[in-house]
Amino acid sequence: SQQGEEDPQALSIQEGENATMNCSYKTSINNLQWYRQNSGRGLVHLILIRSNEREKHSGRLRVTLDTSKKSSSLLITASRAADTASYFCATGIIQGAQKLVFGQGTRLTINP
Amino acid sequence: KAGVTQTPRYLIKTRGQQVTLSCSPISGHRSVSWYQQTPGQGLQFLFEYFSETQRNKGNFPGRFSGRQFSNSRSEMNVSTLELGDSALYLCASSLVGTGPSLDGYTFGSGTRLTVV
Repeated sequence: SQQGEEDPQALSIQEGENATMNCSYKTSINNLQWYRQNSGRGLVHLILIRSNEREKHSGRLRVTLDTSKKSSSLLITASRAADTASYFCATGIIQGAQKLVFGQGTRLTINP
Repeated sequence: KAGVTQTPRYLIKTRGQQVTLSCSPISGHRSVSWYQQTPGQGLQFLFEYFSETQRNKGNFPGRFSGRQFSNSRSEMNVSTLELGDSALYLCASSLVGTGPSLDGYTFGSGTRLTVV
């Protein structure tokens, strides 16, 4: 079963607006990562936040992590048409060795 | 700097056949992971290799196997293909891949396998 569950499954907003996606997970994690995927191609790593961090920024991206609630959020500010993609959260789990477990993803559509 | 290279990009196979997919990680990266992506199941972890050793394995049948060579290139093999094996197979490499300092992964573009 999937470790992460993302909400919403799909999101459609106007260009320039902010987009917020949420991720919940079940087990203890070492870190949480967000990835973007365009049209069934490879995933692109966006940002990694470690379990002892609460917030992290990278350009127009802001990620928060609440380990007590086992949840994370990804905020994309001032969205652009090029941000249209699927966004996945992935939890980094150490089970002897590393393992990334992905959520089902949020399909984000930015309307011009 | 070259990215993660997966070959072939597309593949069509018949049920019962076997297939081998290849992944060349970023130079210097020693950890290679494989994922299967389908519309129904999403991204499922297959296995992870580090320095030619399989360190972690997902919940897939024994028909799915892999290996890693001394130059860190990795192959995965699926024997006795089933229709349900149709998927996008993604390979990802990372620099360290050990201990608590888990790095972000760099993914290849994937191999789209269609079983008919």
